[in-house]
Amino acid sequence: DAGVTQSPTHLIKTRGQHVTLRCSPISGHKSVSWYQQVLGQGPQFIFQYYEKEERGRGNFPDRFSARQFPNYSSELNVNALLLGDSALYLCASSLVPNNEQFFGPGTRLTVL
Amino acid sequence: QQQVKQSPQSLIVQKGGISIINCAYENTAFDYFPWYQQFPGKGPALLIAIRPDVSEKKEGRFTISFNKSAKQFSLHIMDSQPGDSATYFCAASTNTGNQFYFGTGTSLTVIP
Repeated sequence: DAGVTQSPTHLIKTRGQHVTLRCSPISGHKSVSWYQQVLGQGPQFIFQYYEKEERGRGNFPDRFSARQFPNYSSELNVNALLLGDSALYLCASSLVPNNEQFFGPGTRLTVL
Repeated sequence: QQQVKQSPQSLIVQKGGISIINCAYENTAFDYFPWYQQFPGKGPALLIAIRPDVSEKKEGRFTISFNKSAKQFSLHIMDSQPGDSATYFCAASTNTGNQFYFGTGTSLTVIP
């Protein structure tokens, strides 16, 4: 069975640009969460979606937004990129919230 | 404020030895405590998890010990192998499951 997939694998942007990251959950999983992992730190929660509804939001500015589609895939959008947004962006899926979360390989975003 | 505190930051163990990583938390609403293993350039992989109704859970060479009164839990890796060299993260979540709170990570190196 395919695990969580994310695209693209790597991305280089310049300050002020916009980026869209994509995630496909494990088949049958209805909950998707997004995390930001800065080098040398643990993942920090950004959003959780379940059944296409936002279930939780972490302490991130409004430049970050996300959505979940009817097929349970998800997009994370970041506007007006800053140098500090450079990180590994992780998507995790679970059957339902508060269940085992399985992470994808991440998208490495570099902002120049 | 770090919801889950993890120590040590780094750990060097001889092959065949026992690796021990500790985590502590304050929020008594946490009811799910997973451990993740992460290799460079990869997403975190779920290793083992425990809920507060048990004090210990063992899966192969990996054991979680949980002390509810002390609000601490630890990961023990028995017979550590060079292939176990990775960064390990503890995490915690509540029954609302909106997000996982991660520790800061422990870089484990197993010397052959």
